[in-house]
Amino acid sequence: AQKVTQAQTEISVVEKEDVTLDCVYETRDTTYYLFWYKQPPSGELVFLIRRNSFDEQNEISGRYSWNFQKSTSSFNFTITASQVVDSAVYFCALSEATTGFQKLVFGTGTRLLVSP
Amino acid sequence: DTGVSQDPRHKITKRGQNVTFRCDPISEHNRLYWYRQTLGQGPEFLTYFQNEAQLEKSRLLSDRFSAERPKGSFSTLEIQRTEQGDSAMYLCASSPLRDLATEAFFGQGTRLTVV
Repeated sequence: AQKVTQAQTEISVVEKEDVTLDCVYETRDTTYYLFWYKQPPSGELVFLIRRNSFDEQNEISGRYSWNFQKSTSSFNFTITASQVVDSAVYFCALSEATTGFQKLVFGTGTRLLVSP
Repeated sequence: DTGVSQDPRHKITKRGQNVTFRCDPISEHNRLYWYRQTLGQGPEFLTYFQNEAQLEKSRLLSDRFSAERPKGSFSTLEIQRTEQGDSAMYLCASSPLRDLATEAFFGQGTRLTVV
C-alpha cells in the first residue's frame, strides 16, 4: 500500500539557518512520482517540485534543494539560508502508476517556523 | 486571477443540513480533483474528473457526498445531512492533460464547520 511519512511534525529555526525536511515513502510500484507542496497560512497548496522514480538526480532551485534516494525510499527537502517567508507547512506526496498517477497520497506535513 | 477558485471560502452549517461547494478550475485544465484536509493532516483524495467524467472516487466519499462537473468546466461538491465529522477543509485542484503526472494546482479551499 502506498504511504508517505513525514516524521517531523514541527521544526523551528532562526533565519539564515539551513533546514532539512524528511520524507519517506512506501510503494509497490516501480513507476511513481514524488512531489513537495508548500501550504502557507492562506491555505493554498503551492507546488514546489515533481520527481519521477527513474530520475534520482538531486535538484537545486535557488535556496531549495531535493535529495531523492531510492535505496532508502526518501525524498528530502533542504532550504538553505531560511527566511521568515519560508514559514509554512510542507507536504510530501506520492502518485503511482496503478492509480494512473491521478491520486496524490500526502504525508501529514511538517510545519516550519522561521523566526527573525 | 487565473488560479483555481473555490466558493465559499468558509461555511458554517448545522448538523443535518445540506451544503454545496463550487470549484472553478484553471481554464483549459481537463483534470479536476477534490481533496479533504482535517486539522494537522495532509489532504486526502476524494474524487477525480477528466472533463465531465468522474473517473475515480475514494471510499471516503460516502453516499452522502456527491460531486459533479457538468460540461467539464466548474465542479460542485455536495454533502447531504452533514455530520460533525465532515468538518474539514475541502480543497479543489486542477491540472492540464499534458502528460501523466502533471502537478496539480490547488485552490484556497472551503473550510466547513458543522455545529
